[in-house]
Parts: sequence; C-alpha cells; structure tokens
Amino acid sequence: GENVEQHPSTLSVQEGDSAVIKCTYSDSASNYFPWYKQELGKGPQLIIDIRSNVGEKKDQRIAVTLNKTAKHFSLHITETQPEDSAVYFCAATASGGGADGLTFGKGTHLIIQP
Amino acid sequence: DAGVTQSPTHLIKTRGQHVTLRCSPISGHKSVSWYQQVLGQGPQFIFQYYEKEERGRGNFPDRFSARQFPNYSSELNVNALLLGDSALYLCASSLEFSAGDTQYFGPGTRLTVL
Repeated sequence: GENVEQHPSTLSVQEGDSAVIKCTYSDSASNYFPWYKQELGKGPQLIIDIRSNVGEKKDQRIAVTLNKTAKHFSLHITETQPEDSAVYFCAATASGGGADGLTFGKGTHLIIQP
Repeated sequence: DAGVTQSPTHLIKTRGQHVTLRCSPISGHKSVSWYQQVLGQGPQFIFQYYEKEERGRGNFPDRFSARQFPNYSSELNVNALLLGDSALYLCASSLEFSAGDTQYFGPGTRLTVL
C-alpha cells in the first residue's frame, strides 16, 4: 500500500516569513494530493489540493508543488500570520481508486512566532 | 449549508463494551469514509461507503464495522473495545466515489476507553 513521509514534524517561523513542509510518497499510481490544516479540537480542513496532471497550484498565500518523478510534493505558505499556527497534514491516494482512502503523513506542527 | 456532522462529540467507554458513532454527510454527498486518528498521528483509513455499499476497507480488525443508510448517513460500530481504540474518529464525505474526490471532514468523535 501507499506510504507517506512528512517533514519536519515541528516548524517554527517568524511571523511574516515563509514556511515549507515536504512530503514523499511511495505508490507511483497515486494521483491526488490534498493538504489539510487541523486546529486543536477540530477535524482536518482542506486548504489546497493538487492532481497529478498539474505541477503547481496557488491560492493566495498558499501554494503546492508536485514532482511526480521524484514522488514528492510540498506546501508553501508565504507571509505567515498567527492564525496559520496549526498541525498540517499531507495525504495521497493509494492505487486502486478511492477504495483505499487517503494515506496521511504524520503531520507538521507549524508555530508562528510573533 | 451544514458541513459534515458527527455525534456524539465525546464518549467514554470501558474495555469490552461496544460503541456506535454516527455521521451525517454534506447534503448531496453520496460517499462517507471513516478514519481513526490516534493522538499525535495522521488519520488512518478505516472504511469507505458509497451508495450504501462498502467500497473500501483499511487494515482494521473485524471488531470494526460500518453501514450507510438510504439518506447517506453512516454508523461506525466497534465491538469488544480495547484501550488502544481510544482515538478521535473522523467521518469524511465526498460527492462521489473516486480517488480524486475531495473529502470534507467532520469535527470527529473523541472516544476514550478506560
């Protein structure tokens, strides 16, 4: 099955700086890569996703890049703000379509220092 | 429109008991997936249901079962509870059943097994 590795586990940045979180996946058949933000006591909230026919996608301060050859994808947050503090998870589909669900990384705790 | 709703919010059980968790998907969504999130880890896929049929199952024992009703709501049942079943149980809904369908998560049910 699919295996997703996520780094770093904790990331502390100064407010206004950029943050980058990286993930690698194992199954070359995976073709959908969402990123979720989870705040304390809440369920994961989708912030951006990318499909394998696209190399980069942006939504205001958030961008995701995908390198299918290297099997890795990254989340970039620019001009970080205090409300960006949360745990971020990357995920990938396993092969076989939706029947295998999403495989998640272990998460990155992003801390925005004022 | 209301998002994914789950009940109850919190639940405390003792070892050996059984538990039923409930989920209502976003209106119009036909697929429901269940995930288990242990503290400090990413969500792990348990089941996916589409049009009232099980379409996928993760690596969980037979003590875990689920069903989906004609109105697309779903129940997750866990029998013979173990201490290790303590976790946040998340329900996610998606419009259809495919690997690229966006999954929207509910707030979760926090299960504590004593």
